[in-house]
Amino acid sequence: AQSVTQPDIHITVSEGASLELRCNYSYGATPYLFWYVQSPGQGLQLLLKYFSGDTLVQGIKGFEAEFKRSQSSFNLRKPSVHWSDAAEYFCAVGVKGTYKYIFGTGTRLKVLA
Amino acid sequence: NAGVTQTPKFQVLKTGQSMTLQCAQDMNHNSMYWYRQDPGMGLRLIYYSASEGTTDKGEVPNGYNVSRLNKREFSLRLESAAPSQTSVYFCASTQSGGTADNYGYTFGSGTRLTVV
Repeated sequence: AQSVTQPDIHITVSEGASLELRCNYSYGATPYLFWYVQSPGQGLQLLLKYFSGDTLVQGIKGFEAEFKRSQSSFNLRKPSVHWSDAAEYFCAVGVKGTYKYIFGTGTRLKVLA
Repeated sequence: NAGVTQTPKFQVLKTGQSMTLQCAQDMNHNSMYWYRQDPGMGLRLIYYSASEGTTDKGEVPNGYNVSRLNKREFSLRLESAAPSQTSVYFCASTQSGGTADNYGYTFGSGTRLTVV
């Protein structure tokens, strides 16, 4: 069965430090892959997506993610974190040919001043 | 554009009461979805509508009903609310015709529902 795992429930980084949020998926082929961000009291906003081609994708707010087929991973990165990046981040997989989008349980990011 | 609009933003119900959560999108999207978000469980799909006139069950449909009123509007109804339905509810829409694709979702800002 398809699944998405975000191993880190909470991550704390200092402002200006680099960030990597992990996402692993279980799927029989290359899925559609997404990262969303949720600020407190808000809905989820699409950061970036991957479906084919270049394995390094750029998104909004300075984020990027790299698809690694061999590791079944789609990790989110940012070179320098800003205090406004404090939020919860969700990785998601779109299962081709079905209605299913499977979400991970989220990683909550705290940014220290 | 407003995107996806949900009403109300907050609601407290007593056990057994009914209510309807409203969702409207102004992006001419084909598909609309209702999710619930609970701590540590991510988002779980309740119902979805691949296109106007069609609705289908998701992972956790029990206790809910939906109506796709027209292309813009997709409502979620709780007929007899239970404490287990305390959650944050999100409506989402996408351009696609139902099957997963590379468009991704546009989400509303959510309805925080408490059932006492």
